[in-house]
Amino acid sequence: QLQLQESGPGLVKPSETLSLTCTVSAGSISSSNYYWGWIRQPPGKGLEWIGSIYYSGSTYYNASLKSRVTISVDTSKNQFSLKLSSVTAADTAVYYCARHTIRLGDDYWGQGTLVTVSS
Amino acid sequence: EIVMTQSPATLSVSPGERATLSCRASQSVSSNLAWYQQKPGQAPRLLIYGASTRATGIPARFSGSGSGTEFTLTISSLQSEDFAVYYCQQYDNWPPLTFGGGTKVEIK
Repeated sequence: QLQLQESGPGLVKPSETLSLTCTVSAGSISSSNYYWGWIRQPPGKGLEWIGSIYYSGSTYYNASLKSRVTISVDTSKNQFSLKLSSVTAADTAVYYCARHTIRLGDDYWGQGTLVTVSS
Repeated sequence: EIVMTQSPATLSVSPGERATLSCRASQSVSSNLAWYQQKPGQAPRLLIYGASTRATGIPARFSGSGSGTEFTLTISSLQSEDFAVYYCQQYDNWPPLTFGGGTKVEIK
């Protein structure tokens, strides 16, 4: 069964860069029918799509975050990563990585990791 | 951007009763709509894709219907484990992928 696991610091200072990695196991990130994405959820609020990447490196970002977001993929490590720059308290959220299957939706999710932005 | 609107925000239902959740898209998304269930402290779980197809392992009491701009998730007989927050998501026209604001199904 495919598994996704987020990793990275749980606390980031304001104005710094949030960096997270998602490790995919029991399956290859280099498959043609899938996109690999990041979704976040502020405490007590709904889900917000941040962006997605194809194994070839093509990226798709939420326009509201585009100027601050970079998503990259490392197929040799079966990982993809998120960088969000110039963070503020509004970026405090649980960050999920997920696999998006074409015509199906986000069928596999990581457990999520809480990132708090605070000095 | 396609805006997804869910109603009601909260639904109070007794165990064994039927629950009907609605999701509306600001423009047609064809049948490219998914429903997710999220329990406290857990990641969302895919329930329905293609507006009406149950994902692997999802019980038959969950059903989805609709196309275009109006969609419904029905839980035919609520079990204790079904009390959760439910989100719809369109994947017809992206980026961005967009979610509804969620419907919380609580015990009446």
